[in-house]
Amino acid sequence: AQKITQTQPGMFVQEKEAVTLDCTYDTSDQSYGLFWYKQPSSGEMIFLIYQGSYDEQNATEGRYSLNFQKARKSANLVISASQLGDSAMYFCAMREGPRNQFYFGTGTSLTVIP
Amino acid sequence: GAGVSQTPSNKVTEKGKYVELRCDPISGHTALYWYRQSLGQGPEFLIYFQGTGAADDSGLPNDRFFAVRPEGSVSTLKIQRTERGDSAVYLCASSSLAGVGNEQFFGPGTRLTVL
Repeated sequence: AQKITQTQPGMFVQEKEAVTLDCTYDTSDQSYGLFWYKQPSSGEMIFLIYQGSYDEQNATEGRYSLNFQKARKSANLVISASQLGDSAMYFCAMREGPRNQFYFGTGTSLTVIP
Repeated sequence: GAGVSQTPSNKVTEKGKYVELRCDPISGHTALYWYRQSLGQGPEFLIYFQGTGAADDSGLPNDRFFAVRPEGSVSTLKIQRTERGDSAVYLCASSSLAGVGNEQFFGPGTRLTVL
């Protein structure tokens, strides 16, 4: 079974609008971490936001927020007020202990339309 | 700079040759990870070091792949008898601690092409 599932291969959003990128995960661990990374065409992986499994509040970082629904095992990324520079691949990832393996999804390609 | 660096940025080799890819993590980071990213895919875990030892090498696809981190800092990923299917971007990441909440900082990657 896939540890991380991203069902949206590609998404389009109008500039200044909000967009939600979906992510579901699979783990039997109680302690785990969920991450979102952005990968522009240059190839670098840029950390965006983190949510711990025990965190009761949804994580927020500037225009990024993580909609964490633990019972449904989903960790969707919400980008508000999209900008042209947000066009990139977005990867959801999970880290489980104690081996601390990091699992990535297949990514969602986001295109922001002017 | 203070980030993770990887050399070379690009490597073209012929099938059957041996290659070494180098990763220089952020100073003081004890955890180091290697990933492989094929076109259109997410990074695939290869191996994880905590200090000098390989804490988890379960992602290495076969015994042609090997990695070392002799002094707990720089790491080298070694691929013997390269095959065309080894062509990918090899990413290295480091983090300060190994806990689930510690983000990884990625290097720019090495693009390996096996002809």
